Amino acid sequence: DAGVIQSPRHEVTEMGQEVTLRCKPISGHNSLFWYRQTMMRGLELLIYFNNNVPIDDSGMPEDRFSAKMPNASFSTLKIQPSEPRDSAVYFCASSFSRINEKLFFGSGTQLSVL
Amino acid sequence: QQPVQSPQAVILREGEDAVINCSSSKALYSVHWYRQKHGEAPVFLMILLKGGEQKGHDKISASFNEKKQQSSLYLTASQLSYSGTYFCGTEGGSQGNLIFGKGTKLSVKP
Repeated sequence: DAGVIQSPRHEVTEMGQEVTLRCKPISGHNSLFWYRQTMMRGLELLIYFNNNVPIDDSGMPEDRFSAKMPNASFSTLKIQPSEPRDSAVYFCASSFSRINEKLFFGSGTQLSVL
Repeated sequence: QQPVQSPQAVILREGEDAVINCSSSKALYSVHWYRQKHGEAPVFLMILLKGGEQKGHDKISASFNEKKQQSSLYLTASQLSYSGTYFCGTEGGSQGNLIFGKGTKLSVKP
């Protein structure tokens, strides 16, 4: 199995631009998580899907952030408009079931907003 | 509610032992432990599902005290490869969302 695949690996953009991060979970996994990692806040849970349905989006910072999971093999995290404080590493992770299962992380997307 | 990890950082010599603690103000269903090396993604170490459960892998083990809402990770006879940041993650309910602590940075020196 290829593992969780994220793209792009690095993204540099200017403030105000739209940014879209992509994630392909491991086949057969039905839970998908988006995390943001910074030095100050560590790993923050942004949103969590189960069977393509958002279960908990309380971690999404503000309306500029949105996430979708149109099918079991693809999810996007969009930031519009982007701001410098959004600069972070964004990780996608998937697991086999809803609870008590280990998470497999993608390699992350390093986002820099200038 | 984010779990609290302690210490924030620890430096060891090869062969020394370390304990990393994780505590929560809420009742826990389970506790996960992950290790992240610099520039890489977190990697799963183990999950504890029941109060009082203890698990081990090689020289890394963990315990879960459900009543105290705490878990501890034990690293014995540390190796250089143990260096990294260790995160505990807690599931506080049936929703299944996993919340991580801020991490403990472990550095093992020769």
